[in-house]
Amino acid sequence: SQTIHQWPATLVQPVGSPLSLECTVEGTSNPNLYWYRQAAGRGLQLLFYSVGIGQISSEVPQNLSASRPQDRQFILSSKKLLLSDSGFYLCAWSAPTGGFYGYTFGSGTRLTVV
Amino acid sequence: QKEVEQDPGPLSVPEGAIVSLNCTYSNSAFQYFMWYRQYSRKGPELLMYTYSSGNKEDGRFTAQVDKSSKYISLFIRDSQPSDSATYLCAMSGTSGSRLTFGEGTQLTVNP
Repeated sequence: SQTIHQWPATLVQPVGSPLSLECTVEGTSNPNLYWYRQAAGRGLQLLFYSVGIGQISSEVPQNLSASRPQDRQFILSSKKLLLSDSGFYLCAWSAPTGGFYGYTFGSGTRLTVV
Repeated sequence: QKEVEQDPGPLSVPEGAIVSLNCTYSNSAFQYFMWYRQYSRKGPELLMYTYSSGNKEDGRFTAQVDKSSKYISLFIRDSQPSDSATYLCAMSGTSGSRLTFGEGTQLTVNP
């Protein structure tokens, strides 16, 4: 069966520090991968999505970047965090073709920038 | 105007009540409709999935889609405190296309 792993679960970082959040998927090949951010009490904001290795689409211009170095690995990064980067970050995957069953989300990373 | 509108609540009901959660949308191309449940500090999990119009029932949960009105609903019968969560609707036009999410409705079921 397919599983998605996201870590760390909680992170407290000072302003100006770098960020690296990692997400991996098991049990499927060539998944579509997504990074979302969710502010407290708010909806999901799509940050990046990827349909293949090295293929990244950005939805919102900001202080963050994403990379997909391997088929089932998706990384969210920042060189210098801002206070406004605080939030709940979620990784998700979906099947690339043939049948659509929505997204499967990871357990999330709660980032607090201080 | 957002493509998907969902009342954020919060909604508070007594245990045993029937809960109705709703979303409206503007894109007539949407044909895949989903409801996700998100507990506090957790990732959303898929609760119900419906293709095109009609009803789908799963235990205490019923999902309805009315494409003519561009309106979808999730009904929870005999609500339980464990149903307390944020419920997000989501929809897409074609298989494999990206989902468009509502803002989510925060539900609290009081014992």
